[in-house]
Amino acid sequence: EDQVTQSPEALRLQEGESSSLNCSYTVSGLRGLFWYRQDPGKGPEFLFTLYSAGEEKEKERLKATLTKKESFLHITAPKPEDSATYLCAVQTFDRDDKIIFGKGTRLHILP
Amino acid sequence: DTAVSQTPKYLVTQMGNDKSIKCEQNLGHDTMYWYKQDSKKFLKIMFSYNNKELIINETVPNRFSPKSPDKAHLNLHINSLELGDSAVYFCASSPLHGTSQSLLDTQYFGPGTRLTVL
Repeated sequence: EDQVTQSPEALRLQEGESSSLNCSYTVSGLRGLFWYRQDPGKGPEFLFTLYSAGEEKEKERLKATLTKKESFLHITAPKPEDSATYLCAVQTFDRDDKIIFGKGTRLHILP
Repeated sequence: DTAVSQTPKYLVTQMGNDKSIKCEQNLGHDTMYWYKQDSKKFLKIMFSYNNKELIINETVPNRFSPKSPDKAHLNLHINSLELGDSAVYFCASSPLHGTSQSLLDTQYFGPGTRLTVL
């Protein structure tokens, strides 16, 4: 069964304390893996798309990487404004092009 | 200017009623989507329309019916509302060009509609 699992469920960091969020997936074929940021009461905001193992993308303090089994979202020297829920999603490469979201990681950066 | 807008923002209604949520995008995108986010924040795609044609229809009750009068609008109509329909519903759009492009690339989400069924 196709599955996307994010860990940890919640993470509290001090400002400036770097860390990584994990998204592991089990799918029949990966068409793309996506990272979103969601602030409370708002819709998800697109961050990155990764298509193949070894690919990396960066944006400000965020860097996303992809392997054949998982993706990491690295946060370097985070600031309080980076606090949000980070969602991972995969699109499968099968007849139905399924789209599956993980449950997200709630990140809280303390000043 | 709001890129993807939804109305209403909040909707409280009784079980058994019929309700609609409207979505409009002014980005000129070809594809629009409806998602449901439950109380545990789990986001699940429901429908996707490309140029007014249905291209994704996940397993949702047939009480849910999307309607796309034109490329810029995708409304969600729900019949005979049930308690389990309570959730936040998000509309989104993306500039899909042909089937080779990933459906999820650069999606823009609306602010959400919080539906509460009593």
